[in-house]
Amino acid sequence: AQSVTQLDSQVPVFEEAPVELRCNYSSSVSVYLFWYVQYPNQGLQLLLKYLSGSTLVKGINGFEAEFNKSQTSFHLRKPSVHISDTAEYFCAVSDLQTGRRALTFGSGTRLQVQP
Amino acid sequence: GAGVSQSPSNKVTEKGKDVELRCDPISGHTALYWYRQSLGQGLEFLIYFQGNSAPDKSGLPSDRFSAERTGGSVSTLTIQRTQQEDSAVYLCASSRTSGNVETQYFGPGTRLLVL
Repeated sequence: AQSVTQLDSQVPVFEEAPVELRCNYSSSVSVYLFWYVQYPNQGLQLLLKYLSGSTLVKGINGFEAEFNKSQTSFHLRKPSVHISDTAEYFCAVSDLQTGRRALTFGSGTRLQVQP
Repeated sequence: GAGVSQSPSNKVTEKGKDVELRCDPISGHTALYWYRQSLGQGLEFLIYFQGNSAPDKSGLPSDRFSAERTGGSVSTLTIQRTQQEDSAVYLCASSRTSGNVETQYFGPGTRLLVL
């Protein structure tokens, strides 16, 4: 079964600084990868997804992620964060090999942007 | 045009009582998922419905949990004889299948507290 590891439970960062949130998944031949954001007391919102093609994926709110098959990673980056980016971020994977449609989520990373 | 809606937004119940949680998916979405988000376990898949196919119940934690999807639209998650460990946020998501590509859109969740 797939597993997703988000190494950092919390990432404090100052406003306008760059940030990287790390995500690694267990090895598989074919996966779809997603990043979701959850603002306080809200549901999950899709930031971006990797299905195939270019390994650099751009999403909403200035976020981007890079798929690295050899390192089984899908790290999320933003060159300059805003206070409004404070939220919890979840990496998720859908395993194409098993055909299982449900997402397997990481444990989440809480991004805290400080002024 | 509305997103996924869930009701109630909050539910407080006593241990041993039954509860029903409702999900209205996005119109036209054929797939519907239930997930649970709790402090100890993170985001866990519970059950998945796709059209008229038999649901994937592999994530249900016990036989106290069940779900229905009537008319291919609204879904109800039922928890019988609730226990304190059932306290969590229950998230519903829907997607429009496009080949193997599925983006899941999440509702705001129902926050369940079992006293």
